[in-house]
Amino acid sequence: QSALTQPASVSGSPGQSITISCTGTSSDVGGYDYVSWYQQHPGKAPKLMIYEVRNRPSGVSNRFSGSKSGNTASLTISGLQAEDEADYYCSSFTSSYTRYVFGTGTKVTVL
Amino acid sequence: QVQLVESGGGVVQPGRSLRLSCAASGFRFSSYGMHWVRQAPGKGLEWVAVTSSDGSDKYYADSVKGRFTISRDNSKNTLYLQMNSLRPEDTAVYYCAKESTVTNAFDYWGQGTLVTVSS
Repeated sequence: QSALTQPASVSGSPGQSITISCTGTSSDVGGYDYVSWYQQHPGKAPKLMIYEVRNRPSGVSNRFSGSKSGNTASLTISGLQAEDEADYYCSSFTSSYTRYVFGTGTKVTVL
Repeated sequence: QVQLVESGGGVVQPGRSLRLSCAASGFRFSSYGMHWVRQAPGKGLEWVAVTSSDGSDKYYADSVKGRFTISRDNSKNTLYLQMNSLRPEDTAVYYCAKESTVTNAFDYWGQGTLVTVSS
């Protein structure tokens, strides 16, 4: 099972919107609505930001939103803030016998 | 509140074994699937293994299959990862993570424990 493909880095100025893509196959991203997104600051554990493609856990800012089209899921951060600077990972359930896969990760930089 | 606390990491020689533990509290441990996820230094997240709530179903990443065993003791609210035949490429921070039922997402994570495989 190969990792889902994400851009290595995305950057934006404060207040702008950015979008991170997560491309898989019909066996994972395209086949299930079990795509989730995680934020990880340096030296910290990952934090769940989006589950089931577009749902936000309680306490997560509504500046974070998720979507999916075909085999590609996306995370959009609107009104970019300095605290959003972190690594972001997507994850998907997969029909493969390994069951779960993460994306390659994207470093978000706030200019 | 939900707490997951990993322990058991350290420095180990290639070919040796190590067992990680993850002590859970703040939720009904026996009702949830539990995962191990690792992160090599400076690298991304890699899913390692999952066990169902009752321990009857287990799945592994290809990279650890046949060498690692995930298990749980619901009477002790503890998750384990037995790691055998360790390789330098197994060097990573190992996180345990709680699975959110129905959504297949990892809703709570521990702080991680570092495993270094080196001679």
